[in-house]
Amino acid sequence: GQQLNQSPQSMFIQEGEDVSMNCTSSSIFNTWLWYKQEPGEGPVLLIALYKAGELTSNGRLTAQFGITRKDSFLNISASIPSDVGIYFCAGPRLNYGGSQGNLIFGKGTKLSVKP
Amino acid sequence: DTGVSQDPRHKITKRGQNVTFRCDPISEHNRLYWYRQTLGQGPEFLTYFQNEAQLEKSRLLSDRFSAERPKGSFSTLEIQRTEQGDSAMYLCASSLVGSGGHHETQYFGPGTRLLVL
Repeated sequence: GQQLNQSPQSMFIQEGEDVSMNCTSSSIFNTWLWYKQEPGEGPVLLIALYKAGELTSNGRLTAQFGITRKDSFLNISASIPSDVGIYFCAGPRLNYGGSQGNLIFGKGTKLSVKP
Repeated sequence: DTGVSQDPRHKITKRGQNVTFRCDPISEHNRLYWYRQTLGQGPEFLTYFQNEAQLEKSRLLSDRFSAERPKGSFSTLEIQRTEQGDSAMYLCASSLVGSGGHHETQYFGPGTRLLVL
């Protein structure tokens, strides 16, 4: 079945550093989503990617939809303490009719930022 | 606030008790999803509704779990005869799906954290 593998599992960085994390799958996804979750809260959508090769930015965040449609990466530039949280990649599971359905999530990358 | 809301935010119960959670989606969103998240994992799909119709259920949703969405607005998730393994965060998400090629975006609520003692 469709699965998403995220790496690294966790990162400890200094404030101001750039961060890169990625997500891979053995199967194709038509949409890649990046969510951030803070303790005790639900995931919040950061970036949505809908087309292979697409590169999209949201402030200091940049994400790309891999050409093979089997991977995506998320970069955070000049990290700040409020970037702390767990970053999840997700993609919709394809239903039989080709429509998008429920989301499949990776296990997340936990980011810690030292001031 | 017009986001997805969930109630309660926290629930502690004893094994064997029944619990019910409520989710209020974003107004006019026609799809509503329930996910479960355990420590160190991403959310896992449980079930979803298109308006009031429950269209899909995961294998994770045992017969002790039941979800409803009467009138296609808020939804409830009930767990009967709770077990310690049911301890998790239960997340609700909603989206608006149309027929015009619009990309679906799921917006998540803050979750209900359940602890079964």
